[in-house]
Amino acid sequence: EVQLVESGGGLVQPGGSLRLSCAASGFAFSSYWMHWVRQAPGKGLVWVSRINNDGSTTRYADSVRGRFTVSRDNAKSTLYLQMNSLRAGDTAVYYCAREGVGGGGFDYWGQGTLVTVSS
Amino acid sequence: QSVLTQPPSASGTPGQRVTISCSGSSSNIGSHGVNWYQQLPGTAPKLLVYRNNQRPSGVPDRFSGSKSDTSASLAISGLQSEDEADYYCAVWDDSLNGCVFGGGTKLTVL
Repeated sequence: EVQLVESGGGLVQPGGSLRLSCAASGFAFSSYWMHWVRQAPGKGLVWVSRINNDGSTTRYADSVRGRFTVSRDNAKSTLYLQMNSLRAGDTAVYYCAREGVGGGGFDYWGQGTLVTVSS
Repeated sequence: QSVLTQPPSASGTPGQRVTISCSGSSSNIGSHGVNWYQQLPGTAPKLLVYRNNQRPSGVPDRFSGSKSDTSASLAISGLQSEDEADYYCAVWDDSLNGCVFGGGTKLTVL
């Protein structure tokens, strides 16, 4: 069974840092591109970042580029999101998601982890 | 303001057919396949349709997707109470070099 389990969320002050993790199991993690998607309270889904299967290529939304870094450890089947210089506007539930083969949408999602940026 | 435009709300009665639209541009819908997601209250999103009109296994054939030029649609036939959820379209955008989501449509089953 495919499972994605996020962790690392919590309360952080503006300007602070946080690292999210997404532990994957039940599939060949190293074969799939992975994404981070966030959702502010009561708002819609917003794409954050993508990393290809071997970690050599990354993409970011304009709103987080230069502050967030996506990475992966295929030996540990774990995806990461390092978030620096956090702002109140980064407050959201952060989901990791697997991209289906051949760009077939985000076919599996984690349960999400809440990040709250507040003083 | 989302790059992809969806109506904020839609509604229908049980058994009816409802469609949700998603309007984009040549750099996104016009160039790539559209995916649709369903998000039930308090849960993670679920893939409903991928590459415009393909359904993952387990998704009922009541859900169907289509695309024409720079617009896409999700149709739900035989509406059921459990279909009450938020629906999002999503697609890769070549100009932004990133994925974009529509603003979401809240479907109410009357």
